[in-house]
Amino acid sequence: QVQLQESGPGPMKPSETLSLTCAVSGGSVSSGSYYWSWIRQPPGKGLEWIGYIFYTGSTNYNPSLKSRVTMSVATSKNQFSLKLTSVTAADTAVYYCARMPRYSGNNFDYWGQGTLVTVSS
Amino acid sequence: EIVLTQSPGTLSLSPGERAILSCRASQSVSNYYLTWYQQKPGQAPSLLIYGASSRATGIPDRFSGSGSGTDFTLTISRLEPEDFAVYYCQHYDSSPLITFGQGTRLEIK
Repeated sequence: QVQLQESGPGPMKPSETLSLTCAVSGGSVSSGSYYWSWIRQPPGKGLEWIGYIFYTGSTNYNPSLKSRVTMSVATSKNQFSLKLTSVTAADTAVYYCARMPRYSGNNFDYWGQGTLVTVSS
Repeated sequence: EIVLTQSPGTLSLSPGERAILSCRASQSVSNYYLTWYQQKPGQAPSLLIYGASSRATGIPDRFSGSGSGTDFTLTISRLEPEDFAVYYCQHYDSSPLITFGQGTRLEIK
């Protein structure tokens, strides 16, 4: 059974850089069959896709966030990461990592439990 | 950018009733890339229907998906207490861009 677990910062202040890591167990980030994704959900609101990364390091980002987002993958640690620069209160959300199979409609079949990131001055 | 509009925003029904949830795309999309999720309070979304009509592993057959082009439907034939949740549709296009509908809240009447 694949499991994903997000880890990240406590409360953040505006203008800081958000760094999150997703540890994968029961599967390998080096598998060529999956993309590894980040999705966020502001409190009480809907879902927003942030981007995804392939084990080769190839990435695709949501154009609305592209200028502030960087994703990376650490195959030796079986984990992948998200950096979001210059955060504001609008970046307050639960951040999820998820697995996206490449050949099954590009949806998200396994999700982490999510981690709440609060940005406040 | 394809916009997904879900309706209704909130649906109030009783256990045992049938629920019909709609997801409308701003332009025609491929069934292959249309997905439905269920999200319960305090939990991550979970995969429900992929390819517009295929149930994910372990999903009971009271859940069904249908539609094509711009109009897609999630039907729950007989509501169980555990089905009351928020439902999202999602689409992938080749930009690549992944978008979600705003969600339909299914609540107990």
